[in-house]
Amino acid sequence: TQLLEQSPQFLSIQEGENLTVYCNSSSVFSSLQWYRQEPGEGPVLLVTVVTGGEVKKLKRLTFQFGDARKDSSLHITAAQPGDTGLYLCADYTTSGTYKYIFGTGTRLKVLA
Amino acid sequence: EAGVAQSPRYKIIEKRQSVAFWCNPISGHATLYWYQQILGQGPKLLIQFQNNGVVDDSQLPKDRFSAERLKGVDSTLKIQPAKLEDSAVYLCASSLGRNNEAFFGQGTRLTVV
Repeated sequence: TQLLEQSPQFLSIQEGENLTVYCNSSSVFSSLQWYRQEPGEGPVLLVTVVTGGEVKKLKRLTFQFGDARKDSSLHITAAQPGDTGLYLCADYTTSGTYKYIFGTGTRLKVLA
Repeated sequence: EAGVAQSPRYKIIEKRQSVAFWCNPISGHATLYWYQQILGQGPKLLIQFQNNGVVDDSQLPKDRFSAERLKGVDSTLKIQPAKLEDSAVYLCASSLGRNNEAFFGQGTRLTVV
């Protein structure tokens, strides 16, 4: 069974700081996705990456996929209170049945 | 476009009682998922439907959990009887097909006391 470990588990920073969170998989990703989940809401897709070494940018968020497709990082530049939430990586696995497997999550709090 | 609708938003029950959750997916979405998210963890897939058929229920505790999607549209998830460890947020998600982006509802927060 594939396991997705995320680090750190919790992160509390001041507005304007930069941060990086990590996602490591026990096996090669089929299709890596990053989600953000705000309190009381369901996860919302931020980005999908499929190619090893791929880098995607979404405003202040930079997503990097490892060459071996077993790890990924999410870097946020100049964090804002609106970035507060639970960041989840997930694999849309196509081995067996198609399904999403989620990581353990990083809970981010950005203080004003 | 309306999103995935779930009800109720919150539910508190005593252990050994029964509870049911309802999900109405986005119109036209063939694939429907139920996830369990325990506090501090990522969502865990319980069951996946393709139209009205079950595709994957390998992680559904079938001795107490059941789910159905009789007409291939809305779905219900039932727990009978509930245990303390069932306290979690139950998320429903839907997608056009199994290889499309999934959209999540707001979830139902269940507390078993």
